[in-house]
Amino acid sequence: QKEVEQDPGPLSVPEGAIVSLNCTYSNSAFQYFMWYRQYSRKGPELLMYTYSSGNKEDGRFTAQVDKSSKYISLFIRDSQPSDSATYLCAMKSPGGSNYKLTFGKGTLLTVNP
Amino acid sequence: EAGVAQSPRYKIIEKRQSVAFWCNPISGHATLYWYQQILGQGPKLLIQFQNNGVVDDSQLPKDRFSAERLKGVDSTLKIQPAKLEDSAVYLCASSLHGDREETQYFGPGTRLLVL
Repeated sequence: QKEVEQDPGPLSVPEGAIVSLNCTYSNSAFQYFMWYRQYSRKGPELLMYTYSSGNKEDGRFTAQVDKSSKYISLFIRDSQPSDSATYLCAMKSPGGSNYKLTFGKGTLLTVNP
Repeated sequence: EAGVAQSPRYKIIEKRQSVAFWCNPISGHATLYWYQQILGQGPKLLIQFQNNGVVDDSQLPKDRFSAERLKGVDSTLKIQPAKLEDSAVYLCASSLHGDREETQYFGPGTRLLVL
């Protein structure tokens, strides 16, 4: 079983739709949870960062973490064509003197105007 | 603030050739990371430097990959000899200290194709 599982999609939605992206994980050592957005031919950029169970909201984006179920989600409200990108979940766990980042495969999202 | 710089952006080589990638992190960032991102996969950490020392290279294929960060600033990643399965995007990232709550900032990546 992979440490982080993410449905690669692709996911195609109309403009204005609510998008739900999800990841599950198996490693209980993961303490910090992130969502990165990666546009085509660009490096990933951090979108959301959380370390506790519950919801965190930032504009149209809401990150949700359920540590008991080992499940994280990213919701995008009022999706825009500019949201079209690959969304990567990522998790940090302590490893000696550093914190190691483990990524999911990424979900390719297309928002159609 | 300038971002993480990488070069070249694209490279095509034949198998068994060697190749090198260069990364210049954000000024003042002590921690530098090299990731490999195969098509359809998430980035996988190859090596992490803290200043000019290696913190984690557990997933670096040391028989063919090497990396250095002389003077704790720029870094180079080398592959010698390259194999077909090394075709991927090589991403460099940096963070201020490598602490748990810090953001890693990624460069645009070097896209490698091995024929």
